[in-house]
Amino acid sequence: SAVISQKPSRDICQRGTSLTIQCQVDSQVTMMFWYRQQPGQSLTLIATANQGSEATYESGFVIDKFPISRPNLTFSTLTVSNMSPEDSSIYLCSVEEGGSEAFFGQGTRLTVV
Amino acid sequence: GQQVMQIPQYQHVQEGEDFTTYCNSSTTLSNIQWYKQRPGGHPVFLIQLVKSGEVKKQKRLTFQFGEAKKNSSLHITATQTTDVGTYFCAVSGTASKLTFGTGTRLQVTL
Repeated sequence: SAVISQKPSRDICQRGTSLTIQCQVDSQVTMMFWYRQQPGQSLTLIATANQGSEATYESGFVIDKFPISRPNLTFSTLTVSNMSPEDSSIYLCSVEEGGSEAFFGQGTRLTVV
Repeated sequence: GQQVMQIPQYQHVQEGEDFTTYCNSSTTLSNIQWYKQRPGGHPVFLIQLVKSGEVKKQKRLTFQFGEAKKNSSLHITATQTTDVGTYFCAVSGTASKLTFGTGTRLQVTL
């Protein structure tokens, strides 16, 4: 099973600033995903991080707001840009293995003030 | 996009009581996965079901996939305080993207 290290685990940020979240996997994986979980809600897929090409964004999410990098098969970053209080959420990276289960990082709990 | 609803949204039980959460879709599902998220934690995979009518057990947990592959259930027998958390069903779709259900939060008290 994949082990994922995600950091920071939490942060409090001023509105208008940006935060970059890092996700490191202990093995090479093809598919990496970024999710958002708003307080008390379910998980919503932001984008699929593709190695060697631009990320694929889901409806309602755009690259200018959530730029993603995927420089290799073990690492990805998600930036939350020009933050507002509505961006306060838990952000989770995930990898999929073997066509079945997904593994998640510990999550980044973001509060924007 | 695909929507997967779960009921109930929240359930509070006494330790030792049983618990069931239901996952419903308006469309036929190719598969269903179940995850548990402890308070303050991240989702952890429990199981995947792919066959119509499939039933799988993990100790006190029983998972079912409906005959029409439009619904699924998770039943916990004799709940314990360690079962506290939110249970999500999820559907794996195109390019392994997961669509999560709305979740059922379980509270267990002594």
